[in-house]
Amino acid sequence: NAGVTQTPKFQVLKTGQSMTLQCAQDMNHNSMYWYRQDPGMGLRLIYYSASEGTTDKGEVPNGYNVSRLNKREFSLRLESAAPSQTSVYFCASSVAGGGPGNQPQHFGDGTRLSIL
Amino acid sequence: RKEVEQDPGPFNVPEGATVAFNCTYSNSASQSFFWYRQDCRKEPKLLMSVYSSGNEDGRFTAQLNRASQYISLLIRDSKLSDSATYLCVVNTDKLIFGTGTRLQVFP
Repeated sequence: NAGVTQTPKFQVLKTGQSMTLQCAQDMNHNSMYWYRQDPGMGLRLIYYSASEGTTDKGEVPNGYNVSRLNKREFSLRLESAAPSQTSVYFCASSVAGGGPGNQPQHFGDGTRLSIL
Repeated sequence: RKEVEQDPGPFNVPEGATVAFNCTYSNSASQSFFWYRQDCRKEPKLLMSVYSSGNEDGRFTAQLNRASQYISLLIRDSKLSDSATYLCVVNTDKLIFGTGTRLQVFP
């Protein structure tokens, strides 16, 4: 019972490099989310997908793009990485569609990303 | 003012103690509330939802005070395994996470 799976677990990039963080869920959830977590700050929503085929900006979308590839998969892309994007990234999903509100979310175990 | 505020702690308590955390929120239109638990370098996990009438799950009790805009989490008979960071989460049209309260239970 995998739940929400994120790859990679760790990554080090140089400034200006690009990469894609992968996320897949096997719970048949409709909504998926990408967060970042930084020391002293709560989890902040980057982008979300309320249902297959839709994506919306969250609180901190600048410098990121997302793709909801199908119902199971939601990827996060950094086109030109910057040191300010050094963070722990969490993917999450929730059963109901319609977006982030009013329902608990299930998290993957995170991607630790360092940008030099 | 932050949308969700928590005392960062740490709260250091002995096994068997009762400990309580509070969390205040700024948006009176907030619709639902949750407590999540996060172990060091792990993902957040849902601990419990918080209902208007208050709710209990084993040793854990959550309460909501809409008039004063705070929620609380009470842990009775603390165990070593309760050591973690507890995140208060408030929903408006999206989930707003607090920065967490760290609990350390010692033998």
